[in-house]
Amino acid sequence: AQTVTQSQPEMSVQEAETVTLSCTYDTSENNYYLFWYKQPPSRQMILVIRQEAYKQQNATENRFSVNFQKAAKSFSLKISDSQLGDTAMYFCAFIPSYNFNKFYFGSGTKLNVKP
Amino acid sequence: EPEVTQTPSHQVTQMGQEVILRCVPISNHLYFYWYRQILGQKVEFLVSFYNNEISEKSEIFDDQFSVERPDGSNFTLKIRSTKLEDSAMYFCASSHRQGMATLGNTIYFGEGSWLTVV
Repeated sequence: AQTVTQSQPEMSVQEAETVTLSCTYDTSENNYYLFWYKQPPSRQMILVIRQEAYKQQNATENRFSVNFQKAAKSFSLKISDSQLGDTAMYFCAFIPSYNFNKFYFGSGTKLNVKP
Repeated sequence: EPEVTQTPSHQVTQMGQEVILRCVPISNHLYFYWYRQILGQKVEFLVSFYNNEISEKSEIFDDQFSVERPDGSNFTLKIRSTKLEDSAMYFCASSHRQGMATLGNTIYFGEGSWLTVV
């Protein structure tokens, strides 16, 4: 069975500072994909970043980067130079390579960026 | 930026009533999905749909649920006889092709339809 755990229900960060959101997962699969999705108050789920498990290099998208530790089954999201528009719910998600139909989501971390 | 649109954004219905949630996927997408999130819980997979048939469904997706693509553009989720525990945010999603191996292939989610059963 696949599970995704986000242990931080809510976090706050000052504008322009850096924040790290934690995610751990459990799977017996070797090939899979990991994602961070953002859900702002407008509610649309927006893909922030993704990581292929077979790649050792951590994914980076502008101010967003991940720390992917495959052995530890850890996939944290670092947001640098936080902006007010980063305020949102962030979901960590997992897809096994044998079944692209089905995301497994974590419970989410609500991030508040304060001015 | 292409987007998946969902209607209604919020619906209140009485227990036992039928509800239809509508989704307009991105126009060239071929794979369609419904997920739901009960308040305070994780987003859960309900069903996937391809080539006018269900390709996979979860144990949540029992006989009271159905999906269809009636006119080639809309993708609907019908709940035949709603229960209190069906109260949730329902997300529609679509993708152009299945498989994450293709760089740039992304599953796009809609804004969700919030269903409240009273």
